[in-house]
Formats: sequence, structure tokens, C-alpha cells
Amino acid sequence: QSALTQPASVSGSPGQSITISCTGTSSDVGGYNYVSWYQQHPGKAPKLMIYDVSNRPSGVSNRFSGSKSGNTASLTISGLQAEDEADYYCSSYTSSSLVFGTGTKVTVL
Amino acid sequence: QVQLQESGPGLVKPSQTLSLTCTVSGGSISSGGYYWSWIRQHPGKGLEWIGYIYYSGSTYYNPSLKSRVTISVDTSKNQFSLKLSSVTAADTAVYYCAREKVGGYDIDYWGQGTLVTVSS
Repeated sequence: QSALTQPASVSGSPGQSITISCTGTSSDVGGYNYVSWYQQHPGKAPKLMIYDVSNRPSGVSNRFSGSKSGNTASLTISGLQAEDEADYYCSSYTSSSLVFGTGTKVTVL
Repeated sequence: QVQLQESGPGLVKPSQTLSLTCTVSGGSISSGGYYWSWIRQHPGKGLEWIGYIYYSGSTYYNPSLKSRVTISVDTSKNQFSLKLSSVTAADTAVYYCAREKVGGYDIDYWGQGTLVTVSS
């Protein structure tokens, strides 16, 4: 199984919106609505931000939203804040296993 | 509040077997509804799913690691474990244990992670 493809970096100014893409195949992202997104700050464990493509766990800001079209899922962060600066990873179910994305570093300018 | 804690040697010699245990508190592994997973992260790199186990003992492994990985569960101790055989320097990574939702495959609880270095 190959890692899902994410852009290496995305940046934005405070208050702006950014979108991170996660591209897979019909065997993973395109085939199931089991896409999740994780935020990871340096030296910390990842934190679940979105599950089942577009659902937010309790306690996650509504500035984070997810969507999917075909084989590409997307995470949008609106009203960008300094605390959003982190690495973000997507994941997808595939054939009784899980595959992660390559990761995207979000920089708040 | 569910908590997971990894434990095990931080240094393993090449060709030996890496062994880690994850102790779960605040919830029972036997309650069902969740897979108990291992994920690793090479230094400065992305996340790699290793595999998971259900409380019944059913296991699923990353095909790329399957020949070297064994995940087991001890419900009496509320623990699950990872064994990775024939390790090389390429297995140096932070290893996380985690809880993964059955039918959703999202990971809602993670351990803090433990760095395992493979070196002689």
C-alpha cells in the first residue's frame, strides 16, 4: 500500500483559510468514507481533527472541516490561528488496513 | 478518559526483536468496539500504520511489515503488545500505541509515543 499524497507545505496569514489535499486511489480514499485527519505539534502525539470524511470530534473547533471528491479528500482550516501551525496527516481505510498521508506542514505567516 | 502508555526498551540491537507493551487505563480492552493499534513515525518523517488487534485476538498487519510483526493482547492485564523481529536501523522510530474505532478506522486516543533506537 502506498502513502496517500499530500502537499509538503501550506501557509497562510492569520484569519485566512487554507486547504490541504489528500490524494489516493479508488482502493482507499475513493472507495470508502473512512478518511480521517490528524494534527501533530512537534514532540506530541497526533490528535484526531476529522473522522469519516467530514465529522468533527467533540472539542475540535468548527474552523476545521473536511470533504471528499473522488479519490481526493480535503481539510480546510478557516480563520487561521497561530496555534494551527503544525503537521497534518490524512488517513484512509484500505483492505483491512490503514494508510496515512505523507503529511503537510502548515505555517502561519 | 482513556489513557494509553507504551513501555519497553529504548535501545535494541540489529537483528534482535523489538518488544513493546501498551497499558490501557480508563477503559477495558475487552469492551469491544475498538481495535488496539500500533503506529510508528521515523525521525522527522510521516506516520506508518503497523497493525491492530481486536480483544478476541484477531489481528491485521501492514502488508509491508507482516512477515516480521506480531501483535498480541492480554485482556487480564488490559495490555497489548508489539513484537518486531529482525530489526535494522530502518526500524528506528517513535512507536505509538492507539485506539482505533471499529467501522470507522479513526484513531481517537494515542499514547505519548516511545522512541526505539536500533543500534549496536
